[in-house]
Amino acid sequence: QKEVEQDPGPLSVPEGAIVSLNCTYSNSAFQYFMWYRQYSRKGPELLMYTYSSGNKEDGRFTAQVDKSSKYISLFIRDSQPSDSATYLCAMKGTGGFKTIFGAGTRLFVKA
Amino acid sequence: DTAVSQTPKYLVTQMGNDKSIKCEQNLGHDTMYWYKQDSKKFLKIMFSYNNKELIINETVPNRFSPKSPDKAHLNLHINSLELGDSAVYFCASSLRGAEAFFGQGTRLTVV
Repeated sequence: QKEVEQDPGPLSVPEGAIVSLNCTYSNSAFQYFMWYRQYSRKGPELLMYTYSSGNKEDGRFTAQVDKSSKYISLFIRDSQPSDSATYLCAMKGTGGFKTIFGAGTRLFVKA
Repeated sequence: DTAVSQTPKYLVTQMGNDKSIKCEQNLGHDTMYWYKQDSKKFLKIMFSYNNKELIINETVPNRFSPKSPDKAHLNLHINSLELGDSAVYFCASSLRGAEAFFGQGTRLTVV
């Protein structure tokens, strides 16, 4: 079993839809949770960074962490064609430098 | 003003050759990383340096050797390149192990 599981998709939605992206993990030591967006032939770009359980909102993006279920989510409201990219979840423990990434979910938003 | 820059962006070389990839960051971060992303987009850490000290050294063939001349630079040298080394290599940096910022990647093709 991988430490971080993420459905690779692809996920295709119409413009304006609410998108839900998810990851599950097995290591209860993870405390920091991140979402990265990666456009084709570009480097991953940090979208959201959260600590422990709870919600964090930034514009159209909301990150949720449920440590009791070992489950994290990224919601994208009013999705746009420019949101079409691969979304990678990532996580690490306290005091550690090693970040574990999910496999990434490829998202297509159709105009 | 590029935060994490890698050179070259593209590298095509023959099996058996030796090549180097260079990385520089101007963010004032103290930790730098090398990641490998395979054809399925899976991002896996290879090495990490904190204040020029090697702190993460994953199970990587010893043909791969990182070198950090100072906190702002981390290079990756690969000896005797093999077909399986073809991938995108990303450099990243962070401050005290917090969220990582990635470069644009070096697409290595071994023929």
